[in-house]
Amino acid sequence: LAKTTQPISMDSYEGQEVNITCSHNNIATNDYITWYQQFPSQGPRFIIQGYKTKVTNEVASLFIPADRKSSTLSLPRVSLSDTAVYYCLVLNYGGATNKLIFGTGTLLAVQP
Amino acid sequence: EAGVVQSPRYKIIEKKQPVAFWCNPISGHNTLYWYRQNLGQGPELLIRYENEEAVDDSQLPKDRFSAERLKGVDSTLKIQPAELGDSAVYLCASSLELAGGPAYFGPGTRLLVL
Repeated sequence: LAKTTQPISMDSYEGQEVNITCSHNNIATNDYITWYQQFPSQGPRFIIQGYKTKVTNEVASLFIPADRKSSTLSLPRVSLSDTAVYYCLVLNYGGATNKLIFGTGTLLAVQP
Repeated sequence: EAGVVQSPRYKIIEKKQPVAFWCNPISGHNTLYWYRQNLGQGPELLIRYENEEAVDDSQLPKDRFSAERLKGVDSTLKIQPAELGDSAVYLCASSLELAGGPAYFGPGTRLLVL
């Protein structure tokens, strides 16, 4: 199973772009990179998923370099409501050994 | 479309008592997960079902925890007897995993064991 490493916490201010990097050095060929967001007293919420290059949706962008050993979640112009814990996961869909394993995540604190 | 439903939302019990949590996944989702989340930590996987089969229960403390998903739809997680250290949030999630779909989480059940 690919292990992920991400910063424990990050601080930002409203209106700034925030980039959270995740390291996954032993990612396998069939693994996807997935990010979840969790607010206090709620379950995690799927944000974005990608395999390579760049993926963008209405919430965030995900940048994945060619070697796929890391990925960067980019949140444009954050607001106070983006304060949450962000989890990076590496998943092998359909695999018998697939596990949705969460680390400790990155606590993003957005200040006014 | 309704999301993942969990009940109860909160539960307070005394140690050594039994407790059960119920989860109804999103309609059509074949994969169901139970997680436990302690304060300040990420969710910890307890068990994963593919339809009615538990395909991964390696992290489930089987001496006191049990789970079932008899018809491959809703699921129940039970603790008997509960210990002080079981106080946590228990999360249920479901997905169309084999189709590459993300997991959707319920709001969780917050358990306090006194």
